[in-house]
Amino acid sequence: SQQGEEDPQALSIQEGENATMNCSYKTSINNLQWYRQNSGRGLVHLILIRSNEREKHSGRLRVTLDTSKKSSSLLITASRAADTASYFCATATDKLIFGTGTRLQVFP
Amino acid sequence: EPEVTQTPSHQVTQMGQEVILRCVPISNHLYFYWYRQILGQKVEFLVSFYNNEISEKSEIFDDQFSVERPDGSNFTLKIRSTKLEDSAMYFCASSEDLSGNTIYFGEGSWLTVV
Repeated sequence: SQQGEEDPQALSIQEGENATMNCSYKTSINNLQWYRQNSGRGLVHLILIRSNEREKHSGRLRVTLDTSKKSSSLLITASRAADTASYFCATATDKLIFGTGTRLQVFP
Repeated sequence: EPEVTQTPSHQVTQMGQEVILRCVPISNHLYFYWYRQILGQKVEFLVSFYNNEISEKSEIFDDQFSVERPDGSNFTLKIRSTKLEDSAMYFCASSEDLSGNTIYFGEGSWLTVV
């Protein structure tokens, strides 16, 4: 299985702090994608990092990928209360396989 | 920005009834997917579809499930005889290709089987 496992399962921080979420997987991938899900809502695509890339930025998001360790991290800098959501990594070959997710709570 | 749209947003159905969930993928996309998420659990792959046929399906996608692209725009998931454990959020998704590009998800259809 190339299931992604994420840690921590839950993370609570204050506004302004940085949030780091980690994802590990088991098999070779074409790319890795991070998604956000507000409670009871759809999956919003945040960022895609290809297997030959090591780091990618998008606004306050920074994603790293270490294919030798089969791991990725998502860093949200200067977090806001509106960042409160669940964050999922998903590894891609011919389909996406989702990780278990990290529930992020940002307190004002 | 183009988006995947799904209907209905929420459906309540009696156990044993048939349900059809509808999706309109992004227009230039060629690959279509259904995923589901049981409340509080992870998002699980059900099926992928390309060139009018199933590319891959998971063990969840048993004989009670079927997918169809009845016309040039819609992509449907049919659950033939619903069970209580089919209660979940069902997500449709689409992508331009299999391996390199973003997979875009719809807002989901909540199915409640009573």
